[in-house]
Amino acid sequence: EVQLVEAGGDLVKPGGSLRLSCAASGFIFSDNYMSWVRQAPGKGLEWVARIKTKADGGTTDYAAPVKGRFTISRDDSKTTLYLQMNSLKTEDTAVYYCTTGSVPAAFWGQGTLVTVSS
Amino acid sequence: SYELTQPPSVSVSPGQTASITCSGDELGDKYVSWYHQKPGQSPVLVIYQDTKRPSGIPERFSGSNSGNTATLTISGTQAMDEADYYCQVWDSTAAVFGGGTKLTVL
Repeated sequence: EVQLVEAGGDLVKPGGSLRLSCAASGFIFSDNYMSWVRQAPGKGLEWVARIKTKADGGTTDYAAPVKGRFTISRDDSKTTLYLQMNSLKTEDTAVYYCTTGSVPAAFWGQGTLVTVSS
Repeated sequence: SYELTQPPSVSVSPGQTASITCSGDELGDKYVSWYHQKPGQSPVLVIYQDTKRPSGIPERFSGSNSGNTATLTISGTQAMDEADYYCQVWDSTAAVFGGGTKLTVL
């Protein structure tokens, strides 16, 4: 059974930093592209970032609102996905989901809440 | 940047067919995925590559994509299908979601 367990969400002040993690199990992590998707309170889904497999170069892509502030990374030895978030803004407040793949995002974690507020 | 447009809401009677559209420029040239999300839950993939259903998704869910419009069709809609539905595509270097459609079964 595929399991994705996000952690690291917290209340942080504007301008602060936070690192999210996503522990994966039940599938071959190293063979899968992985993504982060977020959902602001009461709003729709917003794709954040994607990382390819090492075999495909491990390259990354980012949504325009987070480019230059967020960094997606992976540790295949630990089957864990990360999202380093810097220079956080109030508009980054959202539930952050870890997903397998990008389009389609076949499996989703339960999400972790990031609140950016002074 | 690429944009996907969905109607904010769709209503359907139980047992009837619900159709949710997703519009975008030359959308038929891209693969569309669809997700549903019930309150307080994570999204679930229901259609990928325009027409394919993941394992465990009922046959009443189907998809099509042509021209500038993709459509998610739910035949014999059930009360349990009431949820928010999102379409998604990959465009160049980014994934894009539609704004979402709230399906009400009444």
